[in-house]
Amino acid sequence: EAEVAQSPRYKITEKSQAVAFWCDPISGHATLYWYRQILGQGPELLVQFQDESVVDDSQLPKDRFSAERLKGVDSTLKIQPAELGDSAMYLCASSRDSKTQYFGPGTRLLVL
Amino acid sequence: LAKTTQPISMDSYEGQEVNITCSHNNIATNDYITWYQQFPSQGPRFIIQGYKTKVTNEVASLFIPADRKSSTLSLPRVSLSDTAVYYCLVTYGNKLVFGAGTILRVKS
Repeated sequence: EAEVAQSPRYKITEKSQAVAFWCDPISGHATLYWYRQILGQGPELLVQFQDESVVDDSQLPKDRFSAERLKGVDSTLKIQPAELGDSAMYLCASSRDSKTQYFGPGTRLLVL
Repeated sequence: LAKTTQPISMDSYEGQEVNITCSHNNIATNDYITWYQQFPSQGPRFIIQGYKTKVTNEVASLFIPADRKSSTLSLPRVSLSDTAVYYCLVTYGNKLVFGAGTILRVKS
């Protein structure tokens, strides 16, 4: 069964440093999502791509966060500079029909 | 304001049926409801998705009343391995809103 791949699985960084997360969606899935999940809460959508285009980034803190999906396949989410409050699980999901999403294992970020 | 509301936690025993309800008062005609299961340090796993009435698959059922202001995930005969957090996701137009999750604890 095809799965969404994410790396790294865990990342520890110091505040003010830059971090980047990578996501490889299920083959053929045109829609890709990045979510942030704070411990004890539901996932919060950061950005949604349709192929290489951004569909929704209204909740992305654009002063420090950026996301790209240059060739419409894999995607990178970057934070620069990282802040203590960015400590969370960063989840990537993909969808074939923009309706049913399949999630990757996530990247747990700890900012010290 | 689009909001998805679930109970914080539920307890059950092995072999029982568990029903978890999600409230979504502002759901629109074309919006749909999806349920996910999440274990610690893992990504959410798709369980079931529905738009109206009743949907059933090999692991769960989803009941959606006519007014669609709420929905109920039904897990038949739960086991200890069903202990997890269950999330309701509602699409409000082009907005994806997760509930805060329901912690289900299954006891022996």
